[in-house]
Amino acid sequence: NAGVTQTPKFQVLKTGQSMTLQCAQDMNHEYMSWYRQDPGMGLRLIHYSVGAGITDQGEVPNGYNVSRSTTEDFPLRLLSAAPSQTSVYFCATGNQPQHFGDGTRLSIL
Amino acid sequence: GDSVTQMEGPVTLSEEAFLTINCTYTATGYPSLFWYVQYPGEGLQLLLKATKADDKGSNKGFEATYRKETTSFHLEKGSVQVSDSAVYFCALSDFGGYQKVTFGIGTKLQVIP
Repeated sequence: NAGVTQTPKFQVLKTGQSMTLQCAQDMNHEYMSWYRQDPGMGLRLIHYSVGAGITDQGEVPNGYNVSRSTTEDFPLRLLSAAPSQTSVYFCATGNQPQHFGDGTRLSIL
Repeated sequence: GDSVTQMEGPVTLSEEAFLTINCTYTATGYPSLFWYVQYPGEGLQLLLKATKADDKGSNKGFEATYRKETTSFHLEKGSVQVSDSAVYFCALSDFGGYQKVTFGIGTKLQVIP
């Protein structure tokens, strides 16, 4: 009964490093999305996918890549980390309602 | 485009006080409306929803009514508890395209004993 699983829960990176945030779901939802949560900004959509092999940009896609090779997995890649990408990242599945993971807290030094 | 407006807070209430968190929205179509709650260190979880005008969503003592005429979906609870301390997000999902979800900025609620 895992639902939406995000790994890692915490990560510290240096500027310029790359990394992948993992998201896995066992709910068989076609729709998956990535958000970042920043103080005073609410949740902002980074990228989303409506099914395996289909991805599209959200509100703040710059500096991030995604792929969707399976229904279950939707990884988010930071290509070259910047301090402005310090945030809490949430993966979600479904859309009415959405089901969220517990988040990845990412700090870029 | 779609938008959701709510106060950021924090809102501080004493236990057993009445809670109202205002939410207004702008949408081109006929959206579904949601309230999500986020407890410290966790992701968001659905609190309640309403899918059409005049619907009332309710859960755990919280209520919100979909008011199309005032484009509002205010969250209310008659008697808050310390355990209700959390961040509350109003959201809408429109039926255009991929049913994108638009969130408000979240209202932090702190309930003191």
